[in-house]
Amino acid sequence: DIVMTQSPDSLAVSLGERATINCKSSQSVLYSSNNKSHLAWYQQKPGQPPKLLIYWASTRESGVPDRFSGSGSGTDFTLTISSLQAEDVAVYYCQQYYSTPPYTFGQGTKLEIK
Amino acid sequence: EVQLVESGGGLVKPGGSLRLSCAASGFTFSSYTMNWVRQAPGKGLEWVSSISSSSSYIYYADSVKGRFTISRDNAKNSLYMQMNSLRAEDTAVYYCARSLAILPCDYWGQGTLVTVSS
Repeated sequence: DIVMTQSPDSLAVSLGERATINCKSSQSVLYSSNNKSHLAWYQQKPGQPPKLLIYWASTRESGVPDRFSGSGSGTDFTLTISSLQAEDVAVYYCQQYYSTPPYTFGQGTKLEIK
Repeated sequence: EVQLVESGGGLVKPGGSLRLSCAASGFTFSSYTMNWVRQAPGKGLEWVSSISSSSSYIYYADSVKGRFTISRDNAKNSLYMQMNSLRAEDTAVYYCARSLAILPCDYWGQGTLVTVSS
């Protein structure tokens, strides 16, 4: 199974500042047939289900603010929030959906306001 | 509006059984792969099982293989999970979520809590 490792486990950032979360997969999730990395980012607020933010490593889901961006390819990925807002406080997860299941998640990164 | 509503959770003793349901509306259910993902209290997300649109392909996490059975009824727009031989470590909120082809889950239900305890 592909193991997903996020860093850091928790992060405190001042309002308006940049937040960066990293995700590393134990093997490449770049699918040769479509040349896309099968990597998604989710946001989960307390008491709520996860919300899809980014797929194909860098494609924003409809309705997601453009301060959220994803980058990376192969095994190393980054979620960046360019200017942190109060409503961005949440736990963020990466997930690989390469080939067939199991579609594993990272352990999560808790983002707080400094 | 896409809606996924889970039901069937509750308190069950170790070794017991439970059947979860997920009622879907607002989209063409029969076109989507459906998934169960769980989250133990205070922990991260764990993919549990997936079933393709026509039930041709079914996958399970090793942690539930042989104990859980996923199924769907496209005529009723419903997803199910039969959970047998439940263990304490199965205690979690169980979410159903839809996905399309080679895309990740884009809509999730609010979840149903399963508690396995004596």
